[in-house]
Amino acid sequence: DTGVSQDPRHKITKRGQNVTFRCDPISEHNRLYWYRQTLGQGPEFLTYFQNEAQLEKSRLLSDRFSAERPKGSFSTLEIQRTEQGDSAMYLCASSPLGRGFIEQYFGPGTRLTVT
Amino acid sequence: EDQVTQSPEALRLQEGESSSLNCSYTVSGLRGLFWYRQDPGKGPEFLFTLYSAGEEKEKERLKATLTKKESFLHITAPKPEDSATYLCAVQAPDSNYQLIWGAGTKLIIKP
Repeated sequence: DTGVSQDPRHKITKRGQNVTFRCDPISEHNRLYWYRQTLGQGPEFLTYFQNEAQLEKSRLLSDRFSAERPKGSFSTLEIQRTEQGDSAMYLCASSPLGRGFIEQYFGPGTRLTVT
Repeated sequence: EDQVTQSPEALRLQEGESSSLNCSYTVSGLRGLFWYRQDPGKGPEFLFTLYSAGEEKEKERLKATLTKKESFLHITAPKPEDSATYLCAVQAPDSNYQLIWGAGTKLIIKP
């Protein structure tokens, strides 16, 4: 396994369109996280899955954002009716299930540009 | 308010010139502090986890230390390939999964 993968790497869309990103975690990892990162800032937590269950979602996350992880494998993040403020790098991370907080392994990210 | 502040925002060093990056935090009851390295256009790469004051971790030219209020990432005799943004994060006190991130320090090592 070569690590966390994300697709696409880059996405340019027009305001008002819907977009969907995919994340494939490291195969043995039960935990999966989505983050958003803008230039010059650290990652901002969006949501967390343990297997197929979405256990935590940021209070800052708009209703236009939704994420799924069917069958506890890959995950998708959808943004509906995109706005220019959604332009950012969207990062996915995974970690194994274990006691306490386990370090997270990140994918390369999907860079979204909303025009 | 729980927050993480990193300084300086950017640091330019000559190859071989040792220095330190700072991460100060204000959280109630630290449960874990994490250092990551991020190269341009890539996701963060995990470096260290620190749990209690006095703890130290080392990896090649990097050493991370932790006090009750801050963490330092010491870089000894850096090389140009150490150039990256270094991010610090702490586990959110009311979550088992959330991290509170700093904005990072952009380190540039000139040959």
